[in-house]
This record gives sequence, structure tokens and C-alpha cells, in this order.
Amino acid sequence: DIQMTQSPSTLSASVGDRVTITCRASENISNWLAWYQQKPGKAPKVLIYKASSLEGGVPSRFSGGGSGAEFTLTISSLQPDDFATYYCQQYNRYSITFGQGTRLEIK
Amino acid sequence: QVHLVQSGAEVKKPGASVRVSCKVSGYSLAELFMHWVRQAPGKGLEWMGGSNPDDGETIYAQKFQGRVTMTEDTSTDTAFMELSSLRSEDTAIYYCVTPPAYSSSHYFESWGRGTLVTVSS
Repeated sequence: DIQMTQSPSTLSASVGDRVTITCRASENISNWLAWYQQKPGKAPKVLIYKASSLEGGVPSRFSGGGSGAEFTLTISSLQPDDFATYYCQQYNRYSITFGQGTRLEIK
Repeated sequence: QVHLVQSGAEVKKPGASVRVSCKVSGYSLAELFMHWVRQAPGKGLEWMGGSNPDDGETIYAQKFQGRVTMTEDTSTDTAFMELSSLRSEDTAIYYCVTPPAYSSSHYFESWGRGTLVTVSS
């Protein structure tokens, strides 16, 4: 299976900050990567697919980048609603795997 | 808009089986490729398996092979996930999830609200 490693595991930031979360794949996955946001007690919600395509209805302060084996999720100016856990997911091979998650908390 | 409604919480004893259902509305099940993802308490997301758009067959994650069965009833637009030989480590929220309708891509746009399965003696 392709292993997905996110960093950092926890990120403390303030409203208005620009933050970046990194996701590394154990092999080349082209651009077959999605990012999800999950809030406590809720199902995850897709933010980005195909590494950099913004899902409909997702604010433009979210952006995705990268290809191959290294990817980023950037939030340009943190809003109170953005404090949550974020997961990357690869779908290059038909054994889908997720990163372990990055918890974004208020500083 | 795909809407997924899952069955209610279950409590099972070790060694038993559980069957979780997922009713589709907004589209027919035949227009979707259904997958299942689980999340143990306080842990991350784990893909269990799903429908392969290339041939319509179901592919299971190696970890669950032999213990999980995913089926569909297109007459009622309901998908099912059955997990057998339950152990305490199977305690988790189980989600049915789908890519966008008509898409063969394997990222998940629609999620059910989840079904909590608790395995306890």
C-alpha cells in the first residue's frame, strides 16, 4: 500500500495566519490527491481534489499544490471556522489510503 | 446532490457480524460507485473497500479481505456493508461514501453521517 505521511501532526495558529500542511506519499501518485476537513462529530468534507482543484462551495482561501509525491494544503488567512482536522487521501492506485491527519488548533 | 442515509448505531459482541445499510437519494445507486470508510474513536480515516468503475466489481482493502462483504440492492438504492468476526478493534464509525456521480475518480464528495458500531462483551 502507498503510505501517506502528513506534517505536522498538530499545528497551532491564529486567526488571519497563513498556514501550510504537507502530505508526502511513499511513491509517485501523480496528482491523484484529495484533502478533507473534519470537525468533531461530523463526517469529513472534501476541499481539494486532483491535488489543486477546489471543490465547489469551498472558500478560495483554501488551495492545494504539488504533484508526484509531495503535496501541500494552504489556508491563506485562517478563519475561526477553519480550526479542524485535515486529512490527505491518495487515489492513484486502487488501494486508497489516507494520511494520519493534522489537527489545526487555535493558538 | 447525492444524499446518503445510514442505519442506526449497533452494539455487537466479539465474534458476531454487523450489517450497515446506506440508502441513496438524489441519484440512483447504479449511477454511483459506493465505498466504505471507517474511523475508530479518536483515530484517522481508513478505507475498507469500494466499487471499481473499470469492471463494476468490488475491491476490498487487504486488511479486511475475507471479513467484509459489500453489496448493493439497486431496486431500493441501498448499499450494505457486512463485517464478520468482530473484535474490539472494529469499534468505529462506519461511513458510506461516494465520488461525484458518474465519476470514476476515487475521491469522496458525498458522505453519510456515519454508523457507530461498538464491539463489546
